[in-house]
Amino acid sequence: KNEVEQSPQNLTAQEGEFITINCSYSVGISALHWLQQHPGGGIVSLFMLSSGKKKHGRLIATINIQEKHSSLHITASHPRDSAVYICAVGSNYQLIWGAGTKLIIKP
Amino acid sequence: NAGVTQTPKFQVLKTGQSMTLQCAQDMNHNSMYWYRQDPGMGLRLIYYSASEGTTDKGEVPNGYNVSRLNKREFSLRLESAAPSQTSVYFCASREGQTYNEQFFGPGTRLTVL
Repeated sequence: KNEVEQSPQNLTAQEGEFITINCSYSVGISALHWLQQHPGGGIVSLFMLSSGKKKHGRLIATINIQEKHSSLHITASHPRDSAVYICAVGSNYQLIWGAGTKLIIKP
Repeated sequence: NAGVTQTPKFQVLKTGQSMTLQCAQDMNHNSMYWYRQDPGMGLRLIYYSASEGTTDKGEVPNGYNVSRLNKREFSLRLESAAPSQTSVYFCASREGQTYNEQFFGPGTRLTVL
């Protein structure tokens, strides 16, 4: 069993829909990261969480440390949100990476 | 600021050839990382450098060597390339440990024939 599990693996939705991507982990962590990988391959950090909730524009990330679970939400989704969303957890210098969720938003 | 830069962007090697992937960051970060990304799999850590002068193995170090040349530069060397090393390689950096954002380079797409 992987230490970081993301669900779903693939998600296709219509423009405007509310999107939720989940991340569960089985190890003790200091922080959890959400990243976005564009179709061209570039990787961008979206959030770094150690507790609670963070919001940036239409993106919201939450974490429940007791349940070892995090969610990434996208409100009013848009085709430009189409990307792979990656969850990573870590302590000290290393991060453990999820396999990613491929999101496609259709116009 | 250029952020994290990597060269080359693309490379094709024959089995047994050697090459060095270059990475540089201009953010004065202490920590630097080399990852590989294979289709359908998450990023896997090859080596990392917590600070200038130190390097440590990650999850998949076999077949690779690294050099932390100075605070800015962290190179990855394949001494004898194998088809199993066909992958996309990403360099990343961040300040300190887990509580800081990690910044990624654009990646190097390597094919070993």
